[in-house]
Amino acid sequence: AQKVTQAQTEISVVEKEDVTLDCVYETRDTTYYLFWYKQPPSGELVFLIRRNSFDEQNEISGRYSWNFQKSTSSFNFTITASQVVDSAVYFCALSENQQGAQKLVFGQGTRLTINP
Amino acid sequence: DVKVTQSSRYLVKRTGEKVFLECVQDMDHENMFWYRQDPGLGLRLIYFSYDVKMKEKGDIPEGYSVSREKKERFSLILESASTNQTSMYLCASSLSPARNTQYFGPGTRLTVL
Repeated sequence: AQKVTQAQTEISVVEKEDVTLDCVYETRDTTYYLFWYKQPPSGELVFLIRRNSFDEQNEISGRYSWNFQKSTSSFNFTITASQVVDSAVYFCALSENQQGAQKLVFGQGTRLTINP
Repeated sequence: DVKVTQSSRYLVKRTGEKVFLECVQDMDHENMFWYRQDPGLGLRLIYFSYDVKMKEKGDIPEGYSVSREKKERFSLILESASTNQTSMYLCASSLSPARNTQYFGPGTRLTVL
């Protein structure tokens, strides 16, 4: 069965520090997708990135970067020069093939607090 | 932009009431999903639908049913609400199995007294 583990339940850093959120996954599928979502205090999950299993290139988007390593089954997320607005709960998710649709299996989330 | 809307942000119901949570998406997505989110448990899938009138059970379907009569609308029904169904309910949609990014609505925080 698919599984996603986000071992860090809560992280608290001071503004402008770099912070890395860990995500480790388990799957028997050879083709799969990994996702990161952000959930700010308003409650709505915001899509950040999707990565397929054949693309191990690291991705950078502004202050956000993602490191995908199939060898360690990890898909970590780094925020550089963190800001107070980055405070949120972050979820890592893994696709799971089902009849007619692809489900997502979510980790339990990491609550990130950026202190001014 | 994808837009997923949910009928209520906050809802308070009494034990035994029948509760309807509505979700509408405006991007002609094939797939729609209902999750509940509880502290320490993350998001858990209740039901999903991959086509009109088609539905599949997720990981925790007990106590819930769903309806998808039109492509854009996916309803979650609590036949007889209980206090252990107090939770945040999130609806999501995705275009297709190949275009599988899920886009979420704002959520409904349901309290059952």
